[in-house]
Amino acid sequence: GAVVSQHPSWVICKSGTSVKIECRSLDFQATTMFWYRQFPKQSLMLMATSNEGSKATYEQGVEKDKFLINHASLTLSTLTVTSAHPEDSSFYICSARDRTTAGSFYNEQFFGPGTRLTVL
Amino acid sequence: LAKTTQPISMDSYEGQEVNITCSHNNIATNDYITWYQQFPSQGPRFIIQGYKTKVTNEVASLFIPADRKSSTLSLPRVSLSDTAVYYCLVGDMLFRLDSSYKLIFGSGTRLLVRP
Repeated sequence: GAVVSQHPSWVICKSGTSVKIECRSLDFQATTMFWYRQFPKQSLMLMATSNEGSKATYEQGVEKDKFLINHASLTLSTLTVTSAHPEDSSFYICSARDRTTAGSFYNEQFFGPGTRLTVL
Repeated sequence: LAKTTQPISMDSYEGQEVNITCSHNNIATNDYITWYQQFPSQGPRFIIQGYKTKVTNEVASLFIPADRKSSTLSLPRVSLSDTAVYYCLVGDMLFRLDSSYKLIFGSGTRLLVRP
């Protein structure tokens, strides 16, 4: 089945540093990937939509200069949290849509296992 | 995107059937109803999807009345491992080549299965 991986699974960094999180579709090509953030006991909040070969589309209230998204290939999207601060500590989840289902009425979005970011 | 309303939490016991109802009064004609399951510190996992009437797979059943303003996820004979948060999402599932489609998660239902 379709598998999405994330790396790293957890990361601890110092305040002011940048952290890169990778999202890979392992056995399918994903034209579109999505990045979510989830705080404890809360729901997933969509941050941005990442399209291969073009600029990401950010949701309202999400700082594009702070959360840099690059979707350089059909199997890889990266999220870089720049100048991280303790309030950026959260669970970051990516998801990907299989391009082979384009035009199909059925669409399933595949989620990665998440990355736990802790900023000290 | 249609807004969804679910109970915040539910309790059940092992072996019981659990029904989680989701309200989506503003569902549009092209919208499908999808349910995801999420365990702590994991990404959501697709459970089931439907448009109308009843859909059943090896994991759950999804009941959708004719007016489609609500849906019910039915989990038969739950076990402790079914303790998780369940999300109901409604959206136009047609894969648009302009990639305008996106999933918006509501608050979800926290299901606790007791021994």
